Amino acid sequence: DQQVKQNSPSLSVQEGRISILNCDYTNSMFDYFLWYKKYPAEGPTFLISISSIKDKNEDGRFTVFLNKSAKHLSLHIVPSQPGDSAVYFCAARRASGNTPLVFGKGTRLSVIA
Amino acid sequence: KAGVTQTPRYLIKTRGQQVTLSCSPISGHRSVSWYQQTPGQGLQFLFEYFSETQRNKGNFPGRFSGRQFSNSRSEMNVSTLELGDSALYLCASSPDGQGTGELFFGEGSRLTVL
Repeated sequence: DQQVKQNSPSLSVQEGRISILNCDYTNSMFDYFLWYKKYPAEGPTFLISISSIKDKNEDGRFTVFLNKSAKHLSLHIVPSQPGDSAVYFCAARRASGNTPLVFGKGTRLSVIA
Repeated sequence: KAGVTQTPRYLIKTRGQQVTLSCSPISGHRSVSWYQQTPGQGLQFLFEYFSETQRNKGNFPGRFSGRQFSNSRSEMNVSTLELGDSALYLCASSPDGQGTGELFFGEGSRLTVL
């Protein structure tokens, strides 16, 4: 049973345009969400997070939106740059207790110059 | 500040063998988590250690085990290797455990089982 779903395995976007990566979750107990970026031959690196008390968090070119009623979050990258080409993982967990981060399968973003 | 260090980076084993992977967390971090990444499966949680105690465990068979030492360094062991164990094994550390903040990942140990 996959609790965090990234239904698009890949996404191609032109440089300068907006990239939108989507993530759905099924566990209503999740209240903390993170996005990680992974380049080949490197470990995932933290990108941005959002708590369930918010519906938007922005950090430079990266914005995460959370729709709790739909159990859906999205990562917007504006403008997209070739260096953003990577695999993006959505992750979620319960903020209380020491429950582990649950990851989606990832979306491979290709930004075309 | 040095990041999470995993050794070895690459290794090849044959079915039936066993393997030990090592992880040195960021200095001061007491929690170490292990994840398995296979193509199309994302990151699957193996276990978390905090102050030398296993605090969480994922849905993996008993062939997968781990431990943490007093200096927070961690090892994971896979016995009786199967072809399906071929994967990237990622270690992540955090100051206080999985329940707070973000995880900091190492570059991973890529295991190939022939």
